[in-house]
Amino acid sequence: NAGVTQTPKFRVLKTGQSMTLLCAQDMNHEYMYWYRQDPGMGLRLIHYSVGEGTTAKGEVPDGYNVSRLKKQNFLLGLESAAPSQTSVYFCASSFDTAYGYTFGSGTRLTVV
Amino acid sequence: GENVEQHPSTLSVQEGDSAVIKCTYSDSASNYFPWYKQELGKRPQLIIDIRSNVGEKKDQRIAVTLNKTAKHFSLHITETQPEDSAVYFCAASLIQGAQKLVFGQGTRLTINP
Repeated sequence: NAGVTQTPKFRVLKTGQSMTLLCAQDMNHEYMYWYRQDPGMGLRLIHYSVGEGTTAKGEVPDGYNVSRLKKQNFLLGLESAAPSQTSVYFCASSFDTAYGYTFGSGTRLTVV
Repeated sequence: GENVEQHPSTLSVQEGDSAVIKCTYSDSASNYFPWYKQELGKRPQLIIDIRSNVGEKKDQRIAVTLNKTAKHFSLHITETQPEDSAVYFCAASLIQGAQKLVFGQGTRLTINP
């Protein structure tokens, strides 16, 4: 039982490049989330999904896209990376709205 | 939307003393309040949570209190130990629909030996 797995763990991008972050969970959770963590700002919600085939915008969605084609996977895409997207990205999932999240180990992204 | 303010941003206590971290929230409809601990370079991990139908919850050295009228909740750690050193985050959300946790800014707790 791996829980929530994120790949890659580290990545350096040049401005304008694109990439996809993958989040996979093996707990059969309905809800999945992408957050970014920046110093002094806590964790801010980028996008989330309430089930397979659904996605919705969070607090800071600009510059990101997501897809949830399979229940266990939630992908976060950056089409044209910008230095402002340098951050640590965490994926999370939850079984039900009455329970806390299980977080992945994070992806440290640097855009130069 | 919901806004969560967390204080203090840094906290240093002597080993064995107690630590208290406070959070306020803006949306009176919020009814779920978890606390997460994040050690350096690691993922946030849920340590305790409380729902709005109770005022206090304890788990060994950790307790959380909730004041719905004042819209604030607090984390209390007693008999602190070096392994309690970490960043702690509070959060708030609704237990219905999509559970979109809104996090506070975090508190860096340092336990001095």
